[in-house]
Amino acid sequence: QSVLTQPPSASGTPGQRVTISCSGSISNIGSDYVYWYQQLPGTAPKLLIYKNDQWPSGVPDRFSGSRSGTSASLAISGLRSEDEADYYCASWDDSLGAWVFGGGTKLTVL
Amino acid sequence: EVQLVESGGGLVQPGGSLRLSCAASGFTFSSHWMHWVRQAPGKGLVWVSRINSDGRSTSYADSVKGRFTISRDNAKNTLYLQLNSLRAEDTAAYYCARSYDAYMDFWGKGTTVTVSS
Repeated sequence: QSVLTQPPSASGTPGQRVTISCSGSISNIGSDYVYWYQQLPGTAPKLLIYKNDQWPSGVPDRFSGSRSGTSASLAISGLRSEDEADYYCASWDDSLGAWVFGGGTKLTVL
Repeated sequence: EVQLVESGGGLVQPGGSLRLSCAASGFTFSSHWMHWVRQAPGKGLVWVSRINSDGRSTSYADSVKGRFTISRDNAKNTLYLQLNSLRAEDTAAYYCARSYDAYMDFWGKGTTVTVSS
């Protein structure tokens, strides 16, 4: 059972906008930043969004992040087939003294 | 170009030990904290441990505390994870990740540990 809660799956058709949610608590998302990672099949995770809504160099602005209270979300607009991957949210948990991840959301592009 | 290359994984019996290594290049290794994160087959990411830039401060997930030890050799640009008293549930791909401003910004490709008799 992951500390952060994500839906196990999401889907959309090319060109659509898809949103993935991440729910936490006051000790993690409610008091620290949220990060999003993309893991393409068979590869290592890649940083997608940092500090709630910032893009690392090279990440297209089709990906956007937001945080409100103890929840966060990742939005992907203009969905493409190459976006098919697992997406993970992460945050530091002050109570646990540990980094915590969501269980991951498998995005399927129909 | 930032590179992190893990090695040292393999098949080990329950109760056994392994030492994982992560060779870093393309950045000033000694300036960055580092992390280990693992992923069991078909499962999600789980943070394991982190170490500060000079190696004097470490922290661990409760599930590995007392069994795993993180360390680094800044002269060799290498991060280590010593795995002792291994259990079946430690079977996973182990990734090292660079820390930038506290978060994990770049990940290696991982090395696989299988604990089985």
